[in-house]
Amino acid sequence: EVQLVESGGGLVQPGGSLRLSCAASGFTFSSYWMSWVRRAPGKGLEWVANIKQDGSEMYYVDSVKGRFTISRDNAKNSLYLQMNSLRADDTAVYYCARWGTTWYGWFDPWGQGTLVTVSS
Amino acid sequence: QSALTQPASVSGSPGQSITISCTGTSSDVGSYNLVSWYQQHPGKAPKLMIYEVTKRPSGVSNRFSGSKSGNTASLTISGLQAEDEADYYCCSYSGSRNFNVVFGGGTKLTVL
Repeated sequence: EVQLVESGGGLVQPGGSLRLSCAASGFTFSSYWMSWVRRAPGKGLEWVANIKQDGSEMYYVDSVKGRFTISRDNAKNSLYLQMNSLRADDTAVYYCARWGTTWYGWFDPWGQGTLVTVSS
Repeated sequence: QSALTQPASVSGSPGQSITISCTGTSSDVGSYNLVSWYQQHPGKAPKLMIYEVTKRPSGVSNRFSGSKSGNTASLTISGLQAEDEADYYCCSYSGSRNFNVVFGGGTKLTVL
C-alpha cells in the first residue's frame, strides 16, 4: 500500500523556522517527483513546491520563494520542507503528495497532513 | 483569489446529477489537458478523482466524470449519494511562468 506520513508541524513564532518531513512507503520513491501542498484555515488548496526525482529541479509558488526549500533523501524514502522566515499567512495544514514520473502529473496519493501554526 | 474559478457551493438531491465548473485561462486549463479534480472530506486528506481532464483512477466510481471546453473544465457527479458531500477542487498545470500548478478555490457540495 502506498503511504505518505508527514511530521514536524507545530506552533512557531513569526520569523521562526520549521522543518517538515514526509516518510514514503509502498512505492519506488526515487522514481517520482514529489510535492508539498497546503490548506490554510477556511481557504482552499495551494500548491507549494515540487522536486524532481534526483533533486536536480525544484519549483515553488511565488509566495514562498526564498523562504522555503524542498529537498529529498531517496536512500531514506523521505521528503522535506525547510520553512524559514515564517509568517502568519503560512499557517496551514501541509500535505505531502506524490506527483508523477515526469514534469506533468497530478497529486496522488496524499498524506494526512501536518498542521503548522505561525503565531506569537 | 485563486487562479482557477469555481462556484463556492452546489447542491443536489440523492440520485440527481450535478456539475462543478472550473474556469481558467489560455495559460492553464485552455493550453493543457492536465486538469485534475480532488475530493476532500472534513479533516481528511484530499483524494484524486479525475486526472488528465477525463481519466478516472482505479477505485473511483464511474459516477464521476470530467470534461473540458476551451478554458473551462467540469466535474460531473451522477446519481448523487450522501457520501459525495465534500469539498471539490480543480487543479491545472500552468506553464505561463516556468513550472506552476494552480488550484481552484474549491466547491462545497451539499447533498440535500
